[in-house]
Amino acid sequence: GDSVTQMEGPVTLSEEAFLTINCTYTATGYPSLFWYVQYPGEGLQLLLKATKADDKGSNKGFEATYRKETTSFHLEKGSVQVSDSAVYFCALSDQTGGSYIPTFGRGTSLIVHP
Amino acid sequence: DGGITQSPKYLFRKEGQNVTLSCEQNLNHDAMYWYRQDPGQGLRLIYYSQIVNDFQKGDIAEGYSVSREKKESFPLTVTSAQKNPTAFYLCASKGGRRYEQYFGPGTRLTVT
Repeated sequence: GDSVTQMEGPVTLSEEAFLTINCTYTATGYPSLFWYVQYPGEGLQLLLKATKADDKGSNKGFEATYRKETTSFHLEKGSVQVSDSAVYFCALSDQTGGSYIPTFGRGTSLIVHP
Repeated sequence: DGGITQSPKYLFRKEGQNVTLSCEQNLNHDAMYWYRQDPGQGLRLIYYSQIVNDFQKGDIAEGYSVSREKKESFPLTVTSAQKNPTAFYLCASKGGRRYEQYFGPGTRLTVT
């Protein structure tokens, strides 16, 4: 079956540092890939997405590129802020028997210090 | 504004009682989902519904039940058979040709 593997957290950075959160996947089909963000006590929000190989999703300074050859979708940001502190989930959505059931990674907590 | 609402935000129940969590969406989405999230854990799928009057079990459906009588609503009942019901519950929806999900703010259920 499909699976998503994220780097374990927490990731602790100082403000303005460079961020990378690794995400790799296995899928039987040709999935769409997503990054969601969850702030404390809230639901998940879509951060960015990519639907085909070599697509780059971007939003709020975050970027991720769909790499089919390495089955990866790593999240990057050039300069993090304290307000970026949250849990980040990598996910894929693949059609299985006509149903799009997303598969989520376990989440990576990011803590940014001033 | 379109979105998903879950109520209440916090819910407290005594062991042995059934409790129903509300999820409503005005996005005109066909598909709706319920997830459970435990501290430090990812999301686990409880039930999902692709269309009105139809729903399927997810990975951890035991001790839970759902209904989908209206497109806008997908309530989740946590029954007394659920051995460890204390958790954060998230409802989501997906519509049309879009593959991403939209999530509600969640309900934190505490059973003592």
